[in-house]
Amino acid sequence: DGGITQSPKYLFRKEGQNVTLSCEQNLNHDAMYWYRQDPGQGLRLIYYSQIVNDFQKGDIAEGYSVSREKKESFPLTVTSAQKNPTAFYLCASSMVASGQGFYNEQFFGPGTRLTVL
Amino acid sequence: GESVGLHLPTLSVQEGDNSIINCAYSNSASDYFIWYKQESGKGPQFIIDIRSNMDKRQGQRVTVLLNKTVKHLSLQIAATQPGDSAVYFCAVFNKGSQGNLIFGKGTKLSVKP
Repeated sequence: DGGITQSPKYLFRKEGQNVTLSCEQNLNHDAMYWYRQDPGQGLRLIYYSQIVNDFQKGDIAEGYSVSREKKESFPLTVTSAQKNPTAFYLCASSMVASGQGFYNEQFFGPGTRLTVL
Repeated sequence: GESVGLHLPTLSVQEGDNSIINCAYSNSASDYFIWYKQESGKGPQFIIDIRSNMDKRQGQRVTVLLNKTVKHLSLQIAATQPGDSAVYFCAVFNKGSQGNLIFGKGTKLSVKP
């Protein structure tokens, strides 16, 4: 059963704590992405990774960190430096990274809803 | 840079009627457009796409229209069903960008029985 999984589905954090969101894919995709979604807003790109051991900042990377040690895994850490972390976080993957004039379809996971208490 | 705008944040239609959801983009160099459906608490699902060399593309009960002159695209859903209730948003790809999608804010479609 191929796809993208995110865990946990719901996550609560106290202010000042770091928290790590999991994203795993078994689609053998090279590229992975993290997006943040706020109510009534479009998805905004946090970080993306085109290949293992490589990642780039997206539009709103401040207060977040990622790693890409394995092809199938792209965890996102929300640090205490993120001033407004309550949001719905979506992970996606694509066969290869889009670029050089072509687009590769992104497949999304089910999301993690993070709430800061 | 690219921006993707929303025409209506919500849309309510009667079951069986046709729905039209609109999206506007700013960059005339944008060359690939996607419509996603997102049900509550779930990740977005691909519905249909269209390239800039086309004006219209049809899928099963869905049609996407692209008007490059006014930088506008629309999603038409025929014979709307209760299962179509969701948030729909467009995403735009510009091959001159880093390869990242720019997403619109979404329209919440409610289907009345």
